[in-house]
Amino acid sequence: EAGVTQFPSHSVIEKGQTVTLRCDPISGHDNLYWYRRVMGKEIKFLLHFVKESKQDESGMPNNRFLAERTGGTYSTLKVQPAELEDSGVYFCASSSGQGRTDTQYFGPGTRLTVL
Amino acid sequence: GDSVTQMEGPVTLSEEAFLTINCTYTATGYPSLFWYVQYPGEGLQLLLKATKADDKGSNKGFEATYRKETTSFHLEKGSVQVSDSAVYFCALSDGYGGSQGNLIFGKGTKLSVKP
Repeated sequence: EAGVTQFPSHSVIEKGQTVTLRCDPISGHDNLYWYRRVMGKEIKFLLHFVKESKQDESGMPNNRFLAERTGGTYSTLKVQPAELEDSGVYFCASSSGQGRTDTQYFGPGTRLTVL
Repeated sequence: GDSVTQMEGPVTLSEEAFLTINCTYTATGYPSLFWYVQYPGEGLQLLLKATKADDKGSNKGFEATYRKETTSFHLEKGSVQVSDSAVYFCALSDGYGGSQGNLIFGKGTKLSVKP
């Protein structure tokens, strides 16, 4: 069974540009999460999809971030326009359930560098 | 709000030494507790978890016991190997209110094991 995959693994862009990150969850997992780790800080929750619906987007930092999950399969996270403080590692995770006991399976992350 | 505090790293040990990484938490409800590990160049992997008080999670020689009275979930291993060198993250999932399964992480502890 394939795990969670993310693309690209690394992206370097200039301030003001647009970047789109992609996440493919484990097949059959309805729940998809995005997290971010800024250098030296904790991994922070961004948002949670259940199928194609946004269940919780309370962690999204501002309206420069747009997440979609069309058809309830893969998800994209677009940053437009990117700012220096957006640099960090963006992780995607998926799970079959959404309860507190369910295990989330993480992808390898996308390292975003904004210059 | 909910939070996780884990010991600052980096931690450097010799092979076969005993390992303890402290983790304490603050939570509104009755959280599940997790240890994730990130090996160099890889994504986060679930190491072990416990879903209720006094549960012990174990995997690959690592153990952690959910202590509600001390709000702790310390990670231990009796004899570390060079291959255990990684970053270890303590996390909780509360599921209280609107946070359906969202993980809250500590800052991570980098472990280096020398031969």
